[in-house]
Amino acid sequence: GESVGLHLPTLSVQEGDNSIINCAYSNSASDYFIWYKQESGKGPQFIIDIRSNMDKRQGQRVTVLLNKTVKHLSLQIAATQPGDSAVYFCAESTRGGSYIPTFGRGTSLIVHP
Amino acid sequence: EAQVTQNPRYLITVTGKKLTVTCSQNMNHEYMSWYRQDPGLGLRQIYYSMNVEVTDKGDVPEGYKVSRKEKRNFPLILESPSPNQTSLYFCASSISPLMGTDTQYFGPGTRLTVL
Repeated sequence: GESVGLHLPTLSVQEGDNSIINCAYSNSASDYFIWYKQESGKGPQFIIDIRSNMDKRQGQRVTVLLNKTVKHLSLQIAATQPGDSAVYFCAESTRGGSYIPTFGRGTSLIVHP
Repeated sequence: EAQVTQNPRYLITVTGKKLTVTCSQNMNHEYMSWYRQDPGLGLRQIYYSMNVEVTDKGDVPEGYKVSRKEKRNFPLILESPSPNQTSLYFCASSISPLMGTDTQYFGPGTRLTVL
């Protein structure tokens, strides 16, 4: 498959563990954030989003936490499965801005059976 | 099936030979964009389009052109490719940032090598 990045931060977990992937963003004016998952050889896929008027949002097995004070975003995956192995990255954008989202470099999640 | 398609998926070409990568979406999305993905740099936006006949530069537009004559298609044109344009390219679409969401749907990618 395609390599989406070299020397990415890597998180290795055992199947069934909870995973936490972190993202620091730079623009204090950003008010909309998305987490994407990219499997080898595929395009990024939307996982979950959150607006700046929230600090937590839950989906199916995933939770996103937003800390605007320190400009930090995290993605928690519960009961991680081998199918969760992928590169995960966050994106930030600004309402009424230039509509050019800024993407993080990503974290490689490896789930061991 | 709702999807974004790109063609070709793989392309090897030589410096200076004009090429076009096509992108099409079947979701009636207004917003479309092109990204390149390079190791260690993440996704960087090349161009975006808010609607038909409305296009604008992203972060790295140099050496690229786009057009949006129809809502569903957003081709990426490299008039004179150079080796530094060797990359993995993604097309994406979304309903519209003006609708309050930027959730983008990505195509499968085009691996371009310029010799």
